[in-house]
Amino acid sequence: QVQLVQSGAEVKKPGSSVKVSCKASGGTFSSYAISWVRQAPGQGLEWMGGIIPIFGTANYAQKFQGRVTITADESTSTAYMELSSLRSEDTAVYYCARAGLHTTVTTYFDYWGQGTLVTVSS
Amino acid sequence: SYVLTQPPSVSVAPGKTARITCGGNNIGSKSVHWYQQKPGQAPVLVIYYDSDRPSGIPERFSGSNSGNTATLTISRVEAGDEADYYCQVWDSSSEGVFGGGTKLTVL
Repeated sequence: QVQLVQSGAEVKKPGSSVKVSCKASGGTFSSYAISWVRQAPGQGLEWMGGIIPIFGTANYAQKFQGRVTITADESTSTAYMELSSLRSEDTAVYYCARAGLHTTVTTYFDYWGQGTLVTVSS
Repeated sequence: SYVLTQPPSVSVAPGKTARITCGGNNIGSKSVHWYQQKPGQAPVLVIYYDSDRPSGIPERFSGSNSGNTATLTISRVEAGDEADYYCQVWDSSSEGVFGGGTKLTVL
């Protein structure tokens, strides 16, 4: 059974950066895309970007281009999402989610991490 | 960018059928995936590729997609089905797009 375990909650100052990790176990890591989806308090889901670890190149939502970096470390089966220039509107739960088909980002998400709350506050 | 429109809320009595719609321009030409999210929990996939059901999801959950509307149908609704439901597609730029979500209330 695939499991995605994310790093713990973070509190950050406006203008700083945050890096959230997502460690996968129980399946093949390299050929299945990991996407990052965030959810602001009381709001809906928002796709930020995704990466297929074996290819190493990430795709980003236009809204986050230049501010988000998604990487993956095949040796530790861990994906990372770094968001910079944080503002209060970035306060949200950040989820990693695995693609249901191999070697494509653009499919359904069959496994999700537990979520990481990032709070941006001065 | 592509927009998906869901009703904010749907209410249904136990044992009845709930239908949650997801509207989008020619959405019938796209593949639609549906997720269930209960308070404080991560989303769970309930329907993929319009109408396929993952293992472990009851047969009461079904999906359809045609024209400008995709629909998630939950038959014989139970109290445990109360949750937020989100539709999701990929737009022409390969960006993931979610609907705004629908809160299903079981009366």
